[in-house]
Amino acid sequence: QIQLVQSGPELKKPGESVKISCKASGYTFTDYAMHWVKQAPGKGLKWMGWINTYTGKPTYADDFKGRFVFSLEASASTANLQISNLKNEDTATYFCARDYYDGTYDYWGQGVMVTVSS
Amino acid sequence: NIVLTQSPATLSVTPGESVSLSCRASQSISTSIHWYQQKSNESPRLLIKYASQSISGIPSRFSGSGSGTDFTLSINRVESEDFSIYYCQQSYSSLSTFGSGTKLEIK
Repeated sequence: QIQLVQSGPELKKPGESVKISCKASGYTFTDYAMHWVKQAPGKGLKWMGWINTYTGKPTYADDFKGRFVFSLEASASTANLQISNLKNEDTATYFCARDYYDGTYDYWGQGVMVTVSS
Repeated sequence: NIVLTQSPATLSVTPGESVSLSCRASQSISTSIHWYQQKSNESPRLLIKYASQSISGIPSRFSGSGSGTDFTLSINRVESEDFSIYYCQQSYSSLSTFGSGTKLEIK
């Protein structure tokens, strides 16, 4: 069955970096784009951008340009999100989601809670 | 960027009632709107795509309509498991966006 399994929760200090992963199984990884979505505590969903899993080309929403990097380990069917120079406002759950060719997200990871606190 | 405005923010209903949730786009997006349900502490789940297309495994009481800028998610006879938050999402633009959500709560 198709699954997106994300890495575990992270506790970081302001200014540090974090890298979270999203491992896909049950389908051909490079056939479907991967998107990233942020959800701050008690808030709604915010689209961060996506990565073409065939070419590795990332696209970022305006609010996520600069400190956020999408990358791949295609041989391991894994997409990664790295956030550098962490700020308190980066405290959130980060989801990966598979794009079913048509801009809809049919499978989601379980989410990774990143807490930034001094 | 395309802004999606959902209303109401909260909807209080009794199980068995039928409800309509609204999503309005800041510009015309044809039918490129999709609806998700998110239960507490869970990942979102796709309910309806392209305004009115049903998704396999989703109960038939969920339906969608609309085109252009105004879209509606309807739930016919709300059941207890439906109390959660609903988000719309647009894929018309290469930069996707979500609405702010409508919380469906028990009256």
